[in-house]
Amino acid sequence: DAKTTQPNSMESNEEEPVHLPCNHSTISGTDYIHWYRQLPSQGPEYVIHGLTSNVNNRMASLAIAEDRKSSTLILHRATLRDAAVYYCILRTTGNQFYFGTGTSLTVIP
Amino acid sequence: EAQVTQNPRYLITVTGKKLTVTCSQNMNHEYMSWYRQDPGLGLRQIYYSMNVEVTDKGDVPEGYKVSRKEKRNFPLILESPSPNQTSLYFCASRIGTGNSPLHFGNGTRLTVT
Repeated sequence: DAKTTQPNSMESNEEEPVHLPCNHSTISGTDYIHWYRQLPSQGPEYVIHGLTSNVNNRMASLAIAEDRKSSTLILHRATLRDAAVYYCILRTTGNQFYFGTGTSLTVIP
Repeated sequence: EAQVTQNPRYLITVTGKKLTVTCSQNMNHEYMSWYRQDPGLGLRQIYYSMNVEVTDKGDVPEGYKVSRKEKRNFPLILESPSPNQTSLYFCASRIGTGNSPLHFGNGTRLTVT
């Protein structure tokens, strides 16, 4: 069974905020939550990660539920270059990375 | 330029003909790993390596072999490819400690007929 579940697709208007959800109900206490995105014909690229607290960086914010069973990646102002597949991932202490099936984000001009 | 290089980018082969996909990184990363990407399944980890001469199975290791004789190289070997190994393969590397990000190559599209 998949360790993370995400909606298959989402749409957003350009310059609007985007909230990409992820459920990881079987997460263990030591698993980190990572987000990557994949542009067409490229390998995935790192976006953000966190353990328990909400995190911000120049690309996005990560909001983690108090029980850690879900998280939300927030893009504050979507641009056309943000159109990609976004993956929610659990990284275990054993250094295994479990990718979800990803959310394909379409940004509408 | 810091990068992960995979070769070849595209490969078409026949069932049973041994092949190797190479992966090389120039960032002195300890950790390297291989993934396959299939429609509707996302990326699944095949093998990973924490350092030279240390390799471990990921989620889907059957039918694959790896070796890590040098820090920079982590080849993926298919001894007897089958059509169900037709997929898009990605190699990635990262610093071995902490939560440093994975750096991915641009992928190898393999077709086994």
